[in-house]
Amino acid sequence: GIQVEQSPPDLILQEGANSTLRCNFSDSVNNLQWFHQNPWGQLINLFYIPSGTKQNGRLSATTVATERYSLLYISSSQTTDSGVYFCAVPLREAAGNKLTFGGGTRVLVKP
Amino acid sequence: NAGVTQTPKFRVLKTGQSMTLLCAQDMNHEYMYWYRQDPGMGLRLIHYSVGEGTTAKGEVPDGYNVSRLKKQNFLLGLESAAPSQTSVYFCASSYSILQAYTRNQPQHFGDGTRLSIL
Repeated sequence: GIQVEQSPPDLILQEGANSTLRCNFSDSVNNLQWFHQNPWGQLINLFYIPSGTKQNGRLSATTVATERYSLLYISSSQTTDSGVYFCAVPLREAAGNKLTFGGGTRVLVKP
Repeated sequence: NAGVTQTPKFRVLKTGQSMTLLCAQDMNHEYMYWYRQDPGMGLRLIHYSVGEGTTAKGEVPDGYNVSRLKKQNFLLGLESAAPSQTSVYFCASSYSILQAYTRNQPQHFGDGTRLSIL
């Protein structure tokens, strides 16, 4: 199956700093999702981004499908950005739209 | 709009007991999924369904059964709970692949069920 690797595994930021999270995948994909899992365990959809760049407030994401990676940018980080960030891509089978998750990047933003 | 609702939110079981987790979605999604998340890891797919009355195995199906009798509901059953099944369980739903392309919609997740097996 497809392999999804995220880096770095852990990230500690000072409030106000910028950062880039990376997601590499081993096969071509037709969509990719970024999630934020908050400290209460809830999974929040951030981006659905098969290719190109999208922005939502202080967050933006870029997927370069031909080179099999996606980047998540966090600008002017806030303590509420703390949590785990996951990227996920679908398996290639025709039936279903099943996601394979990366191991996550654990982000701690210090005040 | 409730989205994806999971019940219960927390449960503690003894080894060998059985239980059923319920997932309900109100978005008329064709596809539904059950994932589990172990500490420090990403989510792994247990079972999924591409429509009412159909189910299929995911990455880690052993020890679980599922049913999709109604389009809006997807049940996950543990027949004989084991400590290795202690985890957080997430349900998700989405449009079909064709709908996803045309509507550009992602998978939507519930808030999770924390299950402990003693």
